Amino acid sequence: DAGITQSPRHKVTETGTPVTLRCHQTENHRYMYWYRQDPGHGLRLIHYSYGVKDTDKGEVSDGYSVSRSKTEDFLLTLESATSSQTSVYFCAIGRGDTQYFGPGTRLTVL
Amino acid sequence: GENVEQHPSTLSVQEGDSAVIKCTYSDSASNYFPWYKQELGKRPQLIIDIRSNVGEKKDQRIAVTLNKTAKHFSLHITETQPEDSAVYFCAASRGNYGGSQGNLIFGKGTKLSVKP
Repeated sequence: DAGITQSPRHKVTETGTPVTLRCHQTENHRYMYWYRQDPGHGLRLIHYSYGVKDTDKGEVSDGYSVSRSKTEDFLLTLESATSSQTSVYFCAIGRGDTQYFGPGTRLTVL
Repeated sequence: GENVEQHPSTLSVQEGDSAVIKCTYSDSASNYFPWYKQELGKRPQLIIDIRSNVGEKKDQRIAVTLNKTAKHFSLHITETQPEDSAVYFCAASRGNYGGSQGNLIFGKGTKLSVKP
């Protein structure tokens, strides 16, 4: 499983509250990614990182921010959660051309 | 930008039959094409991949073919078994170029059901 963990695994929150999801890797990979998965949309890239403090936007970045202060941790923050951000969030690491996914976080925004 | 279309969205086969899932991509610079399998409630897992310098790759009962001219690639599963039931995603990327890693663009997925 490429040494990737995500926390929390499940979260229920209310509209307007801030939420931070954490992705942790143990293999020192340079590239890390955050995706969201919704029925009918497949996997869509939110943000990615190519090193400590180096991040860039993906396809669906509005309403999300990220930070990477250490190689092993990539944080995804919803500054003010909305119901449209209810989704399953997957973190991934890049190893060569290939990406390997974490176990996912199911987020529900009421 | 890059777009990946995947068909069909659902596929039902009898155990022992073959299943074929097709994807087309728009970026002619794409050179890396992985396939992921996702079981219910689990993470997507890489099952096979192919690079643009190869036309076909096999791994036991699964194979992937690539037609660069037509910009499409396909996943073939032979002798399907109930445990093959899952959602399958194709993806495309430019791979590693200029020292950076190309981002994956995913198809929307195919739900495969294998009936015993």
